[in-house]
Amino acid sequence: GAVVSQHPSRVICKSGTSVKIECRSLDFQATTMFWYRQFPKQSLMLMATSNEGSKATYEQGVEKDKFLINHASLTLSTLTVTSAHPEDSSFYICSASPRPLTQGYGYTFGSGTRLTVV
Amino acid sequence: GNSVTQMEGPVTLSEEAFLTINCTYTATGYPSLFWYVQYPGEGLQLLLKATKADDKGSNKGFEATYRKETTSFHLEKGSVQVSDSAVYFCALRLNTGFQKLVFGTGTRLLVSP
Repeated sequence: GAVVSQHPSRVICKSGTSVKIECRSLDFQATTMFWYRQFPKQSLMLMATSNEGSKATYEQGVEKDKFLINHASLTLSTLTVTSAHPEDSSFYICSASPRPLTQGYGYTFGSGTRLTVV
Repeated sequence: GNSVTQMEGPVTLSEEAFLTINCTYTATGYPSLFWYVQYPGEGLQLLLKATKADDKGSNKGFEATYRKETTSFHLEKGSVQVSDSAVYFCALRLNTGFQKLVFGTGTRLLVSP
């Protein structure tokens, strides 16, 4: 089955530094990947849609310069949290879908990254 | 707009009890519907799905039927286990554009022995 690998699973960083999170589709090509943020006991908030070879499409209210997304290949997308602050601490999850996209196919999610900014 | 509404949790049940988690949706067009499950500290796993009206998705004893007339996709299980304790998310996916998922707020299920 489709597998999405997300790394790291946990990261602690100092305020003001940058952190990169990787999302890889291991056994399929993913034209589109999605990045979500989940606050404690809340639902997933879509941050951006990442398309291979083009700029990401950000949801309203998400800072493009703070959350840099790169989708350089059909199997890899990265999210970089720049100049991290404690309020950026959260659970970040990526998801991807095989190419070509078929109706009714649920996206495969990575296992998530717990970011703690101290 | 497109949205998913889930019953608020937590839902607390004893082992072997019957489970229902309500989910209703609003969407333009004809979405595909999904239930995802999230265990503590983990990402989301697809539990089941349905792509058109009257379809029934099922997996691991869980079932949900796509009801177009009531715009609902309620999750049911006849006999829950402690290991079913998790957060359950109902979601829809439009079959146009970026086809992104729209999630409900999630319902936490707690099953006690």
